[in-house]
Amino acid sequence: GQQLNQSPQSMFIQEGEDVSMNCTSSSIFNTWLWYKQDPGEGPVLLIALYKAGELTSNGRLTAQFGITRKDSFLNISASIPSDVGIYFCAGQIVGTGTASKLTFGTGTRLQVTL
Amino acid sequence: KAGVTQTPRYLIKTRGQQVTLSCSPISGHRSVSWYQQTPGQGLQFLFEYFSETQRNKGNFPGRFSGRQFSNSRSEMNVSTLELGDSALYLCASSPQGTRGGYTFGSGTRLTVV
Repeated sequence: GQQLNQSPQSMFIQEGEDVSMNCTSSSIFNTWLWYKQDPGEGPVLLIALYKAGELTSNGRLTAQFGITRKDSFLNISASIPSDVGIYFCAGQIVGTGTASKLTFGTGTRLQVTL
Repeated sequence: KAGVTQTPRYLIKTRGQQVTLSCSPISGHRSVSWYQQTPGQGLQFLFEYFSETQRNKGNFPGRFSGRQFSNSRSEMNVSTLELGDSALYLCASSPQGTRGGYTFGSGTRLTVV
């Protein structure tokens, strides 16, 4: 099945550092979502983006919907140990009154060292 | 507000058997989707149900099926299990399933031996 390309695949950072990751697709989406998954749990929604060019923040997290509608970016500022986990982007195409599946990225594994 | 509940959390089955997984969505949510997560293929969409009707289906063989009940609870069934069916199966619910984020359950970890 299709997966979106996420980079980097994994990263080790020190507490307090800023983190950037991105997600690219060969297809256009009209909704971009960012999820975080902890071991043994399901993904938890962090940020939803609905418009090309949109920049949305949720605490220390900021995400952007790329203007081409084929990419999205997530930044985490001043990382803390609880930011450890796997971050997934997901693209969605929604038509009028129709359902849509989520197409997920390959994931970025984040590890934070003290 | 209770989240999405999936049962059982863990399951071990033998090749050739069948299995049924259950999902109770958030109260008031009418859309339920199922995803398979494996290390090799990542998160892949299986199917989505809304008001007891399958609205969308992923690229999985017919051995994978599902249904939704009038109370929005959903079940998925996998028949003739293969080793490659070992995965974390995630259920997600949404109010209407039209746009925006879905709330995921903790998943059912299926191991086929």
